[in-house]
Amino acid sequence: DAKTTQPPSMDCAEGRAANLPCNHSTISGNEYVYWYRQIHSQGPQYIIHGLKNNETNEMASLIITEDRKSSTLILPHATLRDTAVYYCIVRSYNNNDMRFGAGTRLTVKP
Amino acid sequence: NAGVTQTPKFQVLKTGQSMTLQCAQDMNHEYMSWYRQDPGMGLRLIHYSVGAGITDQGEVPNGYNVSRSTTEDFPLRLLSAAPSQTSVYFCASSLLWPSNQPQHFGDGTRLSIL
Repeated sequence: DAKTTQPPSMDCAEGRAANLPCNHSTISGNEYVYWYRQIHSQGPQYIIHGLKNNETNEMASLIITEDRKSSTLILPHATLRDTAVYYCIVRSYNNNDMRFGAGTRLTVKP
Repeated sequence: NAGVTQTPKFQVLKTGQSMTLQCAQDMNHEYMSWYRQDPGMGLRLIHYSVGAGITDQGEVPNGYNVSRSTTEDFPLRLLSAAPSQTSVYFCASSLLWPSNQPQHFGDGTRLSIL
């Protein structure tokens, strides 16, 4: 499966949009992009996933570039409770192994 | 809707002791799995199950046993605990397998082996 590259840390002001980038330049055509986050001492929380179209749900938006080599997770109005480590994962539908990398530590500041 | 429930949340064992980590889901998910999370190593798949009565090994199965007698429950057994098994253990489930549906995780069991 393709690997992902994320910045190790980012800051965001409370109430502003948080844009978290992810590079997955070796992604295959049947691999989906998933985003999870992990708040300290809790289990990974699913946020959103997509194949090639942009996706939006009640938590976030996912923007995937046309060549699918990168994506951006957007939290439209970040709150202090969004402070967490965010993981970008790519996997195909028949690969059950969720390979979490180091992720991006997002700190939302007042 | 409880989702994925893991018990206990914390446990301390002595080397050589046995124990069972419990995982239950109330979403009628067919697929369930166990991961361990260690500092700097991300999540590693231990065992998984694609339905009741069916289990298989993941990346790091040694020292762990599983069974799946019901759709809801997927316990993880440590037969003889070793300090190397000190970790945070997560159970996850998804509706079907294979599928692009996401896995949903429990809040983990923090296990220390002395």
